[in-house]
Amino acid sequence: GAVVSQHPSRVICKSGTSVKIECRSLDFQATTMFWYRQFPKQSLMLMATSNEGSKATYEQGVEKDKFLINHASLTLSTLTVTSAHPEDSSFYICSVGLGGSKAFFGQGTRLTVV
Amino acid sequence: QQPVQSPQAVILREGEDAVINCSSSKALYSVHWYRQKHGEAPVFLMILLKGGEQKGHDKISASFNEKKQQSSLYLTASQLSYSGTYFCGTEMGGATNKLIFGTGTLLAVQP
Repeated sequence: GAVVSQHPSRVICKSGTSVKIECRSLDFQATTMFWYRQFPKQSLMLMATSNEGSKATYEQGVEKDKFLINHASLTLSTLTVTSAHPEDSSFYICSVGLGGSKAFFGQGTRLTVV
Repeated sequence: QQPVQSPQAVILREGEDAVINCSSSKALYSVHWYRQKHGEAPVFLMILLKGGEQKGHDKISASFNEKKQQSSLYLTASQLSYSGTYFCGTEMGGATNKLIFGTGTLLAVQP
């Protein structure tokens, strides 16, 4: 199965700054990766689909200018939270996988904006 | 549309059984089951693709009804390690691996 490495695992930033989260697929060439967000005691919510070499596809209600996604290679997708605010504090997690089979998740990133 | 899970929460004693249900108003392409512990990534349990399918390993099994609108996860002789939040998920748009997760069920197993 695929091994997915996500970095950093925890980050604290000041309000108004930007934070970059990396998702690496170590042994699986991923043309598509997915980004999810999870608020405390809630379910995982799909934010966007990261497409290698093209623009990301965002789910309804997700601000594309705030959550910048770059998928420049088959092994790396990055999510940048721009001008972060306390309400952006959440657990962000990426996944890769083939359709009809299990999803492989990164370790997740706990973002706290102060 | 997000699948609805029931119950929302359940407390068990070690050795007891539990059933978690996942329902949708529309037929699902697939059902994935995951367990998540606090602050960690979800851990894959199993995937069901066919209506009427039943699958299991060890003391955890699942079923997918014929209409592919409901799935149930069966936990038998629960262990402390079973504690966590269980999510069902389904792939959006067919075989995409793009998941919409259910509402979640918090399971606590006590000694």
